[in-house]
Amino acid sequence: DAGITQSPRHKVTETGTPVTLRCHQTENHRYMYWYRQDPGHGLRLIHYSYGVKDTDKGEVSDGYSVSRSKTEDFLLTLESATSSQTSVYFCAISNQGRNIQYFGAGTRLSVL
Amino acid sequence: AQSVTQPDIHITVSEGASLELRCNYSYGATPYLFWYVQSPGQGLQLLLKYFSGDTLVQGIKGFEAEFKRSQSSFNLRKPSVHWSDAAEYFCAVGDRGGNEKLTFGTGTRLTIIP
Repeated sequence: DAGITQSPRHKVTETGTPVTLRCHQTENHRYMYWYRQDPGHGLRLIHYSYGVKDTDKGEVSDGYSVSRSKTEDFLLTLESATSSQTSVYFCAISNQGRNIQYFGAGTRLSVL
Repeated sequence: AQSVTQPDIHITVSEGASLELRCNYSYGATPYLFWYVQSPGQGLQLLLKYFSGDTLVQGIKGFEAEFKRSQSSFNLRKPSVHWSDAAEYFCAVGDRGGNEKLTFGTGTRLTIIP
């Protein structure tokens, strides 16, 4: 299995509070991704990174920001969590070429 | 923009029966094609992939998929399912233009009955 660790694995928070999810990889892969998974929607890309300090928006980026200061870490921040951000969040990594992505175990976030 | 359609939200099959999960895509050319599997409470695991060449590709756990250009399809098959195959299955397409992004279908949940 690819060395991808997501933390925390579960989190319950209140509306309006900031939340940061962490993705840590030990594979030295260049690309990292954050997805959210919701019933009936599959996986939707929030943000991705193509290198240290290089990030770009995905299809559902509103309300989310990301940072990547080291190759191994990719942080997803909800500045002010809303109930619509209750979801399961997955991190993925990829090395250049052919889009093969490997996934972490996910973080289940509940915003009350 | 590319898109992926998995027309079956939920499929139920008997253990030992054959399985086919459908995937259709919309893309200007031939994309990279993938099937992933997700067991309950787990992340996604790559089952198989198609880049080029032989249109019938073999994957892990006895799965195979066939790329049909004329139908823009990449259906997943298994000749005999096991109870452990119960999971959610996602088809995905990747852009050959080098942007390293995937577009996923909405998934098909597979239930196995004894």
